[in-house]
Formats: sequence, structure tokens, C-alpha cells
Amino acid sequence: QKEVEQNSGPLSVPEGAIASLNCTYSDRGSQSFFWYRQYSGKSPELIMFIYSNGDKEDGRFTAQLNKASQYVSLLIRDSQPSDSATYLCAVNKNTGNQFYFGTGTSLTVIP
Amino acid sequence: GAVVSQHPSRVICKSGTSVKIECRSLDFQATTMFWYRQFPKQSLMLMATSNEGSKATYEQGVEKDKFLINHASLTLSTLTVTSAHPEDSSFYICSARSRTDTQYFGPGTRLTVL
Repeated sequence: QKEVEQNSGPLSVPEGAIASLNCTYSDRGSQSFFWYRQYSGKSPELIMFIYSNGDKEDGRFTAQLNKASQYVSLLIRDSQPSDSATYLCAVNKNTGNQFYFGTGTSLTVIP
Repeated sequence: GAVVSQHPSRVICKSGTSVKIECRSLDFQATTMFWYRQFPKQSLMLMATSNEGSKATYEQGVEKDKFLINHASLTLSTLTVTSAHPEDSSFYICSARSRTDTQYFGPGTRLTVL
């Protein structure tokens, strides 16, 4: 079983819609959770992180964490074509340097 | 936000030569830095974890004698690809771990070995 799993997509949404990206993790002891965006040919950039159960909002982005279900998601409201990228979920176990990435979900926002 | 730089951004070299890539955390100290490799349309692959003042920890299948890592200070880690071959051509990305356990990525180095 992989440490972090994401649906590879591609996920397509029309401009202005809500894009929902999902991620599950295997270790209940995981402490912190991150979402990164990676444009083609570029390195990943941090969008947001979340530590506690519930929702965390930052502009058009909302991260949702449910530790009981071992599930973390990212919602993108009012999706724009510039949001088209691969979104990586990452989980930190907080034991040593154990930081695990999912394989990423490709999102395309259609104008 | 935290800034991580990488140099060079792009390098082309002949087969058999060595290439050094620098990774610097510009506005924070990083006791741990990570080196990744990414082939086109594939996922990030962790190569090694670099701890300041100690030997790097390499992932399974990564040759430590080929990919030399030095983490001499809290803001600088280097990756040297020794005797590079065309199959080493890839996008190499470093990241630095902040005090909040967040990884911040450098912009990457695109290596082409002819």
C-alpha cells in the first residue's frame, strides 16, 4: 500500500467551477499535510498546509482534513485556466524526515 | 514565503563529465534538504536526504558514488553527478525543510548529457 494515494486524473472542469482534488494516506500517525502545484516543466510550489481536522481556507483554495478517514482534499473555487497543473499531495509523519508525496492529479480548467 | 534557489537552472554537458548543482535556502536555515529527480511526465522521485554536517541518506537504487551530496552549511547543499551519461539527463529539484516541517522547492535544474 502506498503511503499517499491520489487519482492521477486527468480531471477536467469548466472555468468558474469548483475543482475537487482528493488524497488518502495510510499512516494514522501522520501529522501535517501539504498541497503543492506543479506546472509542466517547473518545480512544485506550495499552495497550503493543514495540521488540524476541518477546513482551512486561503483565497480560492480550501484544504479539508479528516484524520478519522485519513483523507485530505483541496477545493479550488472559481477555477481559472491558469489553475491547470498537476497537484501534489504530501504527508509528513513527523518522525525523522519521513515526507511522502502522492503521484499527483492533473487538472485542466477548460475556458 | 521561504525561498530556495538552485544553480544552474540549465546545464548541458558531455558524457563522462561531472556536474555540480547548488541548492540554497535564502531566508531560512535548513537542517535538512532533499534531492529529487523527475523524468518527463513522471512523478517526483526522491533520490536522497541531506542533513547538515552528516552523510546523506540515499534511497534504494540511487548510487551514492555517482550522486555525491554535500550539505556543508545550514543554507547550502550540493549534488554532484559524477561521470554523467545520457541516461542521467533529467530535471533535478532540491527542497529545503523549514522549522515548520514544510518543504520548499528550488526552481530545478535541467540536465542534458550529450
